[in-house]
Amino acid sequence: DVKVTQSSRYLVKRTGEKVFLECVQDMDHENMFWYRQDPGLGLRLIYFSYDVKMKEKGDIPEGYSVSREKKERFSLILESASTNQTSMYLCASSYRGETQYFGPGTRLLVL
Amino acid sequence: QQQVKQSPQSLIVQKGGISIINCAYENTAFDYFPWYQQFPGKGPALLIAIRPDVSEKKEGRFTISFNKSAKQFSLHIMDSQPGDSATYFCAASIGTGANNLFFGTGTRLTVIP
Repeated sequence: DVKVTQSSRYLVKRTGEKVFLECVQDMDHENMFWYRQDPGLGLRLIYFSYDVKMKEKGDIPEGYSVSREKKERFSLILESASTNQTSMYLCASSYRGETQYFGPGTRLLVL
Repeated sequence: QQQVKQSPQSLIVQKGGISIINCAYENTAFDYFPWYQQFPGKGPALLIAIRPDVSEKKEGRFTISFNKSAKQFSLHIMDSQPGDSATYFCAASIGTGANNLFFGTGTRLTVIP
């Protein structure tokens, strides 16, 4: 079974803090994705990566950056957290053009 | 701009009934249409998917109907069960697979016993 794990299920941070969200997949997938999920808006793509050290902007990259130093790990970074970044963050991975497998999500609250 | 429009936002169905969720898209380049199911506290999981070369795909109680000319597709859940209560997302992508998925806004389904 494909397993996508996210470092935290719940996270509370203060405005202005730097926040790291980590995602690890165990299936040697090339592609990894970060989404945010908000009620009434569905899932929106923040960034994705096709390979180590490669990254592409998604639909809403502003205020976020990513890092992929190893194939199995994809990190989402909030350089200076703001209250409008309070959300559920979902990581996913896929093998080339196949199904995306999602992690359980990290619910982030920025105070 | 929402690339994939989904309705209804919420749906309540009696046990044994049929649940129907609809999605519409504009981009005719989309060629992969998956449905994801999400239970509370979990990430979305692929439920069923269709490509535009067929008009219907059935897996157990779940059926996707696809209307290419109308640019619409829908999920039908036959004999709905309380265990089907979840949020359902339709999605679409361009290319040979599931990369760059554009998601609908989700439908919260509640099946009443």
